[in-house]
Amino acid sequence: DVKVTQSSRYLVKRTGEKVFLECVQDMDHENMFWYRQDPGLGLRLIYFSYDVKMKEKGDIPEGYSVSREKKERFSLILESASTNQTSMYLCASRPGLGGRPNTGELFFGEGSRLTVL
Amino acid sequence: SQQGEEDPQALSIQEGENATMNCSYKTSINNLQWYRQNSGRGLVHLILIRSNEREKHSGRLRVTLDTSKKSSSLLITASRAADTASYFCATVGVYNFNKFYFGSGTKLNVKP
Repeated sequence: DVKVTQSSRYLVKRTGEKVFLECVQDMDHENMFWYRQDPGLGLRLIYFSYDVKMKEKGDIPEGYSVSREKKERFSLILESASTNQTSMYLCASRPGLGGRPNTGELFFGEGSRLTVL
Repeated sequence: SQQGEEDPQALSIQEGENATMNCSYKTSINNLQWYRQNSGRGLVHLILIRSNEREKHSGRLRVTLDTSKKSSSLLITASRAADTASYFCATVGVYNFNKFYFGSGTKLNVKP
């Protein structure tokens, strides 16, 4: 089974702190994603990565950055946390198809609930 | 926006009854997927239906897709208390397969 592990289930941080959310997948997937989930807004894509050191902005990248130094690990960074970044953050992955487009399902982690005070 | 919208927002039924959730979207799609989320957890993929398919089954799940109306429905038959969760549709566009557009979900409560 695919396992996507998010390092922290719950975090509480203060405004202005730098926050790292880590995500590791064990299935050698090329594609990894970070979403945030807010009530009434569904899931919104922050960033995704299609290979090591490669990234693309999603729909709401402002205030976030990402790092993908190794294939299995995709980190979301909040450089200076703000209260409006209080949310549930979900990491997901899926395999590439050797350069062919993949239209298949996403495999999600359990989520990291971040509260910024 | 291509975002899917689920209807109803909340649904409460008795165990054994069928549950139907609907999803509408705005632009052409490659496929539509349904996910389930237990409270406070991650999403789990349930079923995928491609734009050239009209109906798909998986166990107690039945999904239909009407591309002319840009809508899909998820039917859960003979529901169980363990089906209590939020259900989301997600659309994948025809040009960028890495952009999934999720709706805000239907919260299903199945009473024992």
